[in-house]
Amino acid sequence: GNSVTQMEGPVTLSEEAFLTINCTYTATGYPSLFWYVQYPGEGLQLLLKATKADDKGSNKGFEATYRKETTSFHLEKGSVQVSDSAVYFCALSEGGTASKLTFGTGTRLQVTL
Amino acid sequence: ETGVTQSPTHLIKTRGQQVTLRCSSQSGHNTVSWYQQALGQGPQFIFQYYREEENGRGNFPPRFSGLQFPNYSSELNVNALELDDSALYLCASSGPGQGLNIQYFGAGTRLSVL
Repeated sequence: GNSVTQMEGPVTLSEEAFLTINCTYTATGYPSLFWYVQYPGEGLQLLLKATKADDKGSNKGFEATYRKETTSFHLEKGSVQVSDSAVYFCALSEGGTASKLTFGTGTRLQVTL
Repeated sequence: ETGVTQSPTHLIKTRGQQVTLRCSSQSGHNTVSWYQQALGQGPQFIFQYYREEENGRGNFPPRFSGLQFPNYSSELNVNALELDDSALYLCASSGPGQGLNIQYFGAGTRLSVL
């Protein structure tokens, strides 16, 4: 079956540091890939997405590139802010009529001044 | 703000009881999915409803059931509650014309089973 593996957290960074959160996936077909973010006490918000190999998703300074050869979708940001502190989830969907999302376990990011 | 609303926000039940959680989907969305998120884990897919019919189910027992109404709002019912059912329950809606069928999540209902 499908699965998503994320790097374990928490990740603690100083403000303006470079962020990478690793994500790899296993899927039988050609999934679409997503990063969702969950702020404390809130639901999930879509951060970015990519639908096919070599696509780059980007939003709010975050980027991730769909790498089919390495089955990866690593999240990066050049300069993090305190307000980026949250839990980040990598997810995939194989589409179709029941396009369920398969999530990783999440990576908590803590950014300090 | 996604336009997906869930109620109640928090709920406390005892083992063996039954619970109903509610979700109002974003305007124009005809598909609702439910997920269970245990503490420190990623959300797990429970089931999805499309135009009032179940349209896919995850690895959850039959005591987890659902409904979707003509206005596309939805309910999640859980019978014979167990301690392990304590979790954040998330509803997500999606609609036609988005190509990717992107799901928009509500803030969730936190269920505690004592």
